[in-house]
Amino acid sequence: DAGITQSPRYKITETGRQVTLMCHQTWSHSYMFWYRQDLGHGLRLIYYSAAADITDKGEVPDGYVVSRSKTENFPLTLESATRSQTSVYFCASSESGTGNSPLHFGNGTRLTVT
Amino acid sequence: RKEVEQDPGPFNVPEGATVAFNCTYSNSASQSFFWYRQDCRKEPKLLMSVYSSGNEDGRFTAQLNRASQYISLLIRDSKLSDSATYLCVVNPLNSGYALNFGKGTSLLVTP
Repeated sequence: DAGITQSPRYKITETGRQVTLMCHQTWSHSYMFWYRQDLGHGLRLIYYSAAADITDKGEVPDGYVVSRSKTENFPLTLESATRSQTSVYFCASSESGTGNSPLHFGNGTRLTVT
Repeated sequence: RKEVEQDPGPFNVPEGATVAFNCTYSNSASQSFFWYRQDCRKEPKLLMSVYSSGNEDGRFTAQLNRASQYISLLIRDSKLSDSATYLCVVNPLNSGYALNFGKGTSLLVTP
């Protein structure tokens, strides 16, 4: 089925470890986004990508790395996880980046850093 | 000042009631506005876009007031299934990649 899928759904990792969250979409949307959602903050943009091999920082990029070698995949890597990165991570895609296209979200990854 | 502000609620209303949420935004040049719905522990989903002239989708009506910089969502004849968090989303001008999300307004519809 067409859509946007994230994996894993749940992840527990230790401080200092590297962890990668996966995101895959089948719509061939050009734009993809990574958000984190925390109580008291709402959704905050980490990184976004306008196309394969084009990525840019969002509001809270520190401690994260992204890549987009293929249009359909947009993995997010925490290079050295910290407790402050415990959060729910949502990947999203949209047809265009004008802001008029709705975002389609994956079902999220709940990450706990111990 | 926060870019997008919403009353967090919760709004507790009985089935069949009409409920309205407001959302204020700080960037007067903002061009696009949306309401998203988020069920508990689920991903946000687009509920409706908000157009300058106001728009309706079934029991849901969205309004935009540019002069006062707020948007509203009216839900008529509330259903139990309307219980969710409603996120106000604003797109600042020239910022297609940085939608500003409100923290959400929680609605609980009770029998």
